[in-house]
Amino acid sequence: EPEVTQTPSHQVTQMGQEVILRCVPISNHLYFYWYRQILGQKVEFLVSFYNNEISEKSEIFDDQFSVERPDGSNFTLKIRSTKLEDSAMYFCASSEQGGRSDEQYFGPGTRLTVT
Amino acid sequence: AQKVTQAQTEISVVEKEDVTLDCVYETRDTTYYLFWYKQPPSGELVFLIRRNSFDEQNEISGRYSWNFQKSTSSFNFTITASQVVDSAVYFCALSDNGGYNKLIFGAGTRLAVHP
Repeated sequence: EPEVTQTPSHQVTQMGQEVILRCVPISNHLYFYWYRQILGQKVEFLVSFYNNEISEKSEIFDDQFSVERPDGSNFTLKIRSTKLEDSAMYFCASSEQGGRSDEQYFGPGTRLTVT
Repeated sequence: AQKVTQAQTEISVVEKEDVTLDCVYETRDTTYYLFWYKQPPSGELVFLIRRNSFDEQNEISGRYSWNFQKSTSSFNFTITASQVVDSAVYFCALSDNGGYNKLIFGAGTRLAVHP
């Protein structure tokens, strides 16, 4: 069964450094998402992406964040200058279409630790 | 405004007990979708069910059942004859017209099933 993959599984970085989290969505899916989950808290929407542009972003997704689909398979989340509060699990998801009913398939997550 | 409330933070049961996880949602839209996801200790998010706002039929899948009641804006999840493998955090989520199909998650309920 096709699945969303994410690399790395765990990333440790120092405050102020740039990080890039990578995702490979399911190949025939057109809509891509990033969510984050601070330890012990709920999963929060960051951004949705379709047709090479951002469809929607949350208040969390400020100028320090950016997303890109650099080729036909990868979908990346970049944090320019990490802060301690960026420490969280970051989930990538994809869906075949963009409708409200469409199931989003989640990747296994990347745990980001900012020290 | 969109909101999902899971008032039960943690539930602890003994194996073979039935357990119900509560979910209450808020939305102004008449068309919306509700989801349940399971997050086992390994951390990934596993899709369990999707229900649209026009279908109030209860659904049963093996030991799992869901009770959707629009009158009380609730979408509760029952596990019958719980097993240790059911131990996880369970998230209820909402998708409506508020913004493409981003998922709004509740805070989650941690279920511990003891032998």
